[in-house]
Order: sequence, then C-alpha cells, then structure tokens
Amino acid sequence: DAGVIQSPRHEVTEMGQEVTLRCKPISGHDYLFWYRQTMMRGLELLIYFNNNVPIDDSGMPEDRFSAKMPNASFSTLKIQPSEPRDSAVYFCASSPRKGNNEQFFGPGTRLTVL
Amino acid sequence: DAKTTQPPSMDCAEGRAANLPCNHSTISGNEYVYWYRQIHSQGPQYIIHGLKNNETNEMASLIITEDRKSSTLILPHATLRDTAVYYCIVRASGGYNKLIFGAGTRLAVHP
Repeated sequence: DAGVIQSPRHEVTEMGQEVTLRCKPISGHDYLFWYRQTMMRGLELLIYFNNNVPIDDSGMPEDRFSAKMPNASFSTLKIQPSEPRDSAVYFCASSPRKGNNEQFFGPGTRLTVL
Repeated sequence: DAKTTQPPSMDCAEGRAANLPCNHSTISGNEYVYWYRQIHSQGPQYIIHGLKNNETNEMASLIITEDRKSSTLILPHATLRDTAVYYCIVRASGGYNKLIFGAGTRLAVHP
C-alpha cells in the first residue's frame, strides 16, 4: 500500500485566494483526520470523519475552513478566502476501525499564503 | 483526556539506550498511553501504546509505572535516524477518541 497520499506537497498562494488540499486515505480505513501544524501552536486536530461522515469539527478555526469526504477514498480541506495566518503544514491521517486505533499520517502539504 | 508532561529536549549518544520520560499523573483507569514520533518534515509515526503492562515491539519498549502516573519510552540502541520529536499522548479506550498532541520531547542522537 502506498500509504496516505496528499496533494499538493507544496502550495504557495496569495491572500484571498481559495486553496484546496487533497487526501487519499489508506484503503479500508474507516477514519480520516485533518491536522494543522505550526511552530506557535504545534499539531492541532481540525476535523475527523468516520465512514465519510464528519464526527468532530471543533478544531476547525473558522468558517473559512471546510472539509468534505465524498467517498471512502478521497477527502478535501478547503480554505476560502485564505489568509497569511493559515500558513502551516497540513497533515491528513487515516486509521482502521479495528486494532489499536493507530493513525497513519501522510507526508503533509506545506501551505504558504502571501 | 489526561494531560502529559515531557521534557522539551534530550540528547543521546548513538548506540546507547534513549529513555524518554512522560508524566501523566491525572490518567484515569480506561486511558491508554500512546507514543508517536515525528522526524523532521515528515508526518507523525506511531511507535507503541499500553494500558498498564510493559510493552515491547520492534521499535521500542514502553515501561508504565505501577500507579500508571508516569511512563518511559525506551529506544534500546538509538541511531541517528531516531532523531525526532517524541510525543506521549493519553487517550481513553472505547469508541474512538482523538489524539491530542503536546509539545513533545525533541531527541537529538549524536555520533
């Protein structure tokens, strides 16, 4: 298995633009997570899904952020409009339902908003 | 979920055992101790977890004190590739509970 796949790996955009980050979880995993990592705030959970349904979005910073999971093999995190303070590394992770609930992380998307 | 306390940084010589402590004095009976690490520029990676018994796998050993208020992650023969930030996380069992990452311990393994 290729692991969790994220695209793009790097994104540079200007303030006010829409940004869409993409994630393909590991096949067969029931849970999908979106995290954001910055130097100031560390690694924060934004939202997670179970069987494509959002379960907890309490970490989503504001209405400019939205996440969808239209099917078991794809999820998006959208920021509209983007702001410089959104600059961070965004990680996607997936986890199987059974077992020890280990989370498998993707390589991350480094977002820079100018 | 119980909070954890870890030293911000540690050093270890290559080939020696690295012992990373974690304090979780408010842990409750149904909460597990998880360890993850994050190598520079990569996503976090699961290492090991346990409830009350000591655990060992191919990566590390986890020693949990009898009162469960603290634990130690042991890398028996540290290599340069073990240089990373190590996160100790406490999480309840049952259903699914999110991981809350703290600041972790930055381990530097040097020749």
